Amino acid sequence: NAGVTQTPKFQVLKTGQSMTLQCAQDMNHEYMSWYRQDPGMGLRLIHYSVGAGITDQGEVPNGYNVSRSTTEDFPLRLLSAAPSQTSVYFCASSQGPGGNTIYFGEGSWLTVV
Amino acid sequence: GNSVTQMEGPVTLSEEAFLTINCTYTATGYPSLFWYVQYPGEGLQLLLKATKADDKGSNKGFEATYRKETTSFHLEKGSVQVSDSAVYFCALLSPGTDKLIFGTGTRLQVFP
Repeated sequence: NAGVTQTPKFQVLKTGQSMTLQCAQDMNHEYMSWYRQDPGMGLRLIHYSVGAGITDQGEVPNGYNVSRSTTEDFPLRLLSAAPSQTSVYFCASSQGPGGNTIYFGEGSWLTVV
Repeated sequence: GNSVTQMEGPVTLSEEAFLTINCTYTATGYPSLFWYVQYPGEGLQLLLKATKADDKGSNKGFEATYRKETTSFHLEKGSVQVSDSAVYFCALLSPGTDKLIFGTGTRLQVFP
């Protein structure tokens, strides 16, 4: 019962470095999304995808890229990391609109120094 | 736009005390409402949900009732335990989407 798997769990980056946060789900869910969690701000939507080949921006997309080449995977790319991107990142998936349960990964703690 | 407002924390209680964490929302249409919990160092877990007015979600002794007239979804538990110490997030799901809108989270600390 893997569910939603995120890697890495912890990462420290230097300003300007690039990296990719991986997210995979094994539930054949169409809908996947990335959120970031910051103190006092709850979780905010970065990007989402309603199916393979389709992505769109959420509330805070700047500085992040995504792609969805398969149903299972939804990686989040930081092209040039900035200290403001220090956060906890959560990937989520669900079957699609309609109040179905949304499943979250365990989170990726990212620090940019 | 849609939004969720939660009471600020931390909420500090003694074991076996009664817990209420307030949550109110602003939304068009009839959203689904959720409570998620995040234990220290862990990810988000769905605690309970309600999809229509007057529904009561419940799990692990926690309850919340979807009150359309007051646009509220307060979380309650009759007797908290130290193991309930966590951050609790209220969230709504707009109809026809799978984009969750979260409140800022409320940290609960329970002491023996």
